[in-house]
Amino acid sequence: QVQLVQSGAEVKKPGASVKVSCKASGYIFTNYHMHWLRQAPGQGLEWIGHMDPARGGAEYAQHFRDWVIMTRDTSSGTAYLELTNLKSDDTAVYYCARDSGRPGHFWYFGLWGRGTLVSVSS
Amino acid sequence: EIVLTQSPDTLSLSPGERATLSCRASQSVSSNSLAWYQQKPGQAPRLLIYDAFNRATDIPDRFSGSGSGTDFTLTISRLEPEDFAVYYCQEYVGSPLTFGGGTKVEIK
Repeated sequence: QVQLVQSGAEVKKPGASVKVSCKASGYIFTNYHMHWLRQAPGQGLEWIGHMDPARGGAEYAQHFRDWVIMTRDTSSGTAYLELTNLKSDDTAVYYCARDSGRPGHFWYFGLWGRGTLVSVSS
Repeated sequence: EIVLTQSPDTLSLSPGERATLSCRASQSVSSNSLAWYQQKPGQAPRLLIYDAFNRATDIPDRFSGSGSGTDFTLTISRLEPEDFAVYYCQEYVGSPLTFGGGTKVEIK
């Protein structure tokens, strides 16, 4: 079926890096942009950025521009989010989400992964 | 960047009652580029409404969206037990995408 399966929870120390994966199945991976969002404990949703799996290009929200990298492997239909130089306030659930696929800026999300908890603590 | 303000923070209602949730934007949301999501504890958000008033696939018709410009509303006509959750609005006019802070609908 159509789904996004994310990698498991991670525990990291401040200054470390982590790479979260999101494997798509049940649809053509390159036909939809993949977005990443996060949610700190008890908080709301924050958009990190998105990538075009067909071309490989990515766009990041300003706060994440210098320390987040989005990549993909089209052969396996997997998107990746790498977080570098982690801080304690980066502790959050990180979600991948597929956008609508409609031409244009129709970036709403009908398909989500279950989330990956990244905990940053010394 | 568009700032979305949701009100109230918490809505205490009984099953069967009507819920009215508000989402106000700091500037006009063009083309009604607004979505609503429901989130339950430990789960990913679930898309309810897109383009301000279109129900997503398999969403019951007790959920409806309305509004335009800077003021949008999500209405749940008769609350079912499974509707008690947190609701978020999201705009997709430009970049970055932004979300409201959420409204918690709790059982009275």
